[in-house]
Amino acid sequence: GAVVSQHPSRVICKSGTSVKIECRSLDFQATTMFWYRQFPKQSLMLMATSNEGSKATYEQGVEKDKFLINHASLTLSTLTVTSAHPEDSSFYICSARGAANSGNTIYFGEGSWLTVV
Amino acid sequence: KQEVTQIPAALSVPEGENLVLNCSFTDSAIYNLQWFRQDPGKGLTSLLLIQSSQREQTSGRLNASLDKSSGRSTLYIAASQPGDSATYLCAAPPSNTGKLIFGQGTTLQVKP
Repeated sequence: GAVVSQHPSRVICKSGTSVKIECRSLDFQATTMFWYRQFPKQSLMLMATSNEGSKATYEQGVEKDKFLINHASLTLSTLTVTSAHPEDSSFYICSARGAANSGNTIYFGEGSWLTVV
Repeated sequence: KQEVTQIPAALSVPEGENLVLNCSFTDSAIYNLQWFRQDPGKGLTSLLLIQSSQREQTSGRLNASLDKSSGRSTLYIAASQPGDSATYLCAAPPSNTGKLIFGQGTTLQVKP
């Protein structure tokens, strides 16, 4: 089946620095990818929709200048958390939508744990 | 705005029991209804997807039903096993955009 890979799976960064998380569709082209955030014991909340070749669409309350999303190719979207603060510590997970001829199935990555110290 | 709610938040059962997890949604105009499993600290595993025109889907010991008119879906797990212990999430996308609106999840513990 289709695979979506996220990297790194775990990252620790210092407060004030930036960290980049990659989301790759390994065996299919993903025109659209989604970024979610999950705080401990809470559900997944959609942060933004990443469209290849265009600007990301952010959900209400998500700072676009803090969470930079780039979707430069059909197989890669990146989320950069800029000027990270301890409250940004969370589980970030991406999903990728396959092409129409694959039923537009949604595939999830394994997630990335971010800890800001 | 679509809201998805799951009850109960946590559930503990002895091995072998049949159980039902509940998911409710406020807007019946959903594209489909999906159930996922999430193990601690891990990503999501898709379990079942029910199209809006369908009433139920089955996979092994799992059966998911959908009643759009009442805004409810249930996930039935038969003959539960300790390996079923995980958090179960339902999600109801409002359209075919790929966006998923998740419930809070039900954390299931199956005791040997």
